[in-house]
Amino acid sequence: SQTIHQWPATLVQPVGSPLSLECTVEGTSNPNLYWYRQAAGRGLQLLFYSVGIGQISSEVPQNLSASRPQDRQFILSSKKLLLSDSGFYLCAWSSQPGGLLGGNTIYFGEGSWLTVV
Amino acid sequence: AQSVTQPDIHITVSEGASLELRCNYSYGATPYLFWYVQSPGQGLQLLLKYFSGDTLVQGIKGFEAEFKRSQSSFNLRKPSVHWSDAAEYFCAVGASGGSYIPTFGRGTSLIVHP
Repeated sequence: SQTIHQWPATLVQPVGSPLSLECTVEGTSNPNLYWYRQAAGRGLQLLFYSVGIGQISSEVPQNLSASRPQDRQFILSSKKLLLSDSGFYLCAWSSQPGGLLGGNTIYFGEGSWLTVV
Repeated sequence: AQSVTQPDIHITVSEGASLELRCNYSYGATPYLFWYVQSPGQGLQLLLKYFSGDTLVQGIKGFEAEFKRSQSSFNLRKPSVHWSDAAEYFCAVGASGGSYIPTFGRGTSLIVHP
């Protein structure tokens, strides 16, 4: 079966420090990968998605970046964190549209709490 | 472009009462529709999904949802709510034409009174 792992689960970082959140998917190949953010009391905001190695699409301009160095690995980074970067970050994956798992079905990781102080 | 509306930000029910969470979507063709649940501090868990076929979909944890094309709705129901159902619920719509990006509603927070 497919599983998704993201870490760390919680992170407290000072303003101006770097960030690296990592996500890996197991049990599938060539997944679509996503990074979402949830600010307190708000809905989901799509930050980045990737349909293949090295292919990253950004949905929201900001000081965050994403990379996909391997097929099932997705990394969210920042060189200098802002207070406004605080929130709950969710990694997710889906199979290719029309695939055996019904394409477009997104499966989420457990999330990472980031507090910028 | 697709869109999703969850008109209720908060819903309060008593334990044992029935539940219906509303979801309305906008999409030009047959959509893929989803309901997710999120417990505090956790990721989103898929409750159920509709792609085609029977418009009444059964999901996990005793939930069901009904796709009504004429009303552009996909409401989530449960006949008897348990205290553990208190959570945030998200409706989402995906394009059937191969889009990779589903659209999520803002969520409905379910509060369960004992």
